[in-house]
Amino acid sequence: EAQVTQNPRYLITVTGKKLTVTCSQNMNHEYMSWYRQDPGLGLRQIYYSMNVEVTDKGDVPEGYKVSRKEKRNFPLILESPSPNQTSLYFCASSPGARAREAFFGQGTRLTVV
Amino acid sequence: GDSVTQMEGPVTLSEEAFLTINCTYTATGYPSLFWYVQYPGEGLQLLLKATKADDKGSNKGFEATYRKETTSFHLEKGSVQVSDSAVYFCALGGAGTALIFGKGTTLSVSS
Repeated sequence: EAQVTQNPRYLITVTGKKLTVTCSQNMNHEYMSWYRQDPGLGLRQIYYSMNVEVTDKGDVPEGYKVSRKEKRNFPLILESPSPNQTSLYFCASSPGARAREAFFGQGTRLTVV
Repeated sequence: GDSVTQMEGPVTLSEEAFLTINCTYTATGYPSLFWYVQYPGEGLQLLLKATKADDKGSNKGFEATYRKETTSFHLEKGSVQVSDSAVYFCALGGAGTALIFGKGTTLSVSS
């Protein structure tokens, strides 16, 4: 089954404790991205990757890092989480070099206290 | 820059009512347009799409027509069901690399 898998689904952490949210897709898609969803703001892109070893900032990259060492994986790293990063996070992948028909993961609800 | 504006929610309807969720866009060139649906506790799923002017996307009884003259892509369904309760996002795929999303419209259908 074609899918994008994120882990964990839920995470509560404390300010400053480094964390990683994993994302994996099994569709051999070139394009992967991370979004955060906040009430009243919709979805905003954090980072994206057009292929292995190619990543770039989206609209709200501050406080986040990503890497793309393999085509299928695109982890999101919060080196020093802060309460304003409490949000619902989605990983997405698309065929080709641009985000067109995107396939989304189930989401990770992160709470930073 | 590119942007999407969709009607504010929530939208509350009775089962079998007619649904319209308005979506308008601003973009240069000829973007692709999408409607995504997010059921409670789940990720976004593509509902329908249209890639050029006058295209009609349709799926699960939902329809939307790409109207370049009015820069709109309104979502419609003739008879909603309780199971249609969800958040609906209009999105645009333009010249850039990111999909541009509207803020979402929550639909609540009661029996």
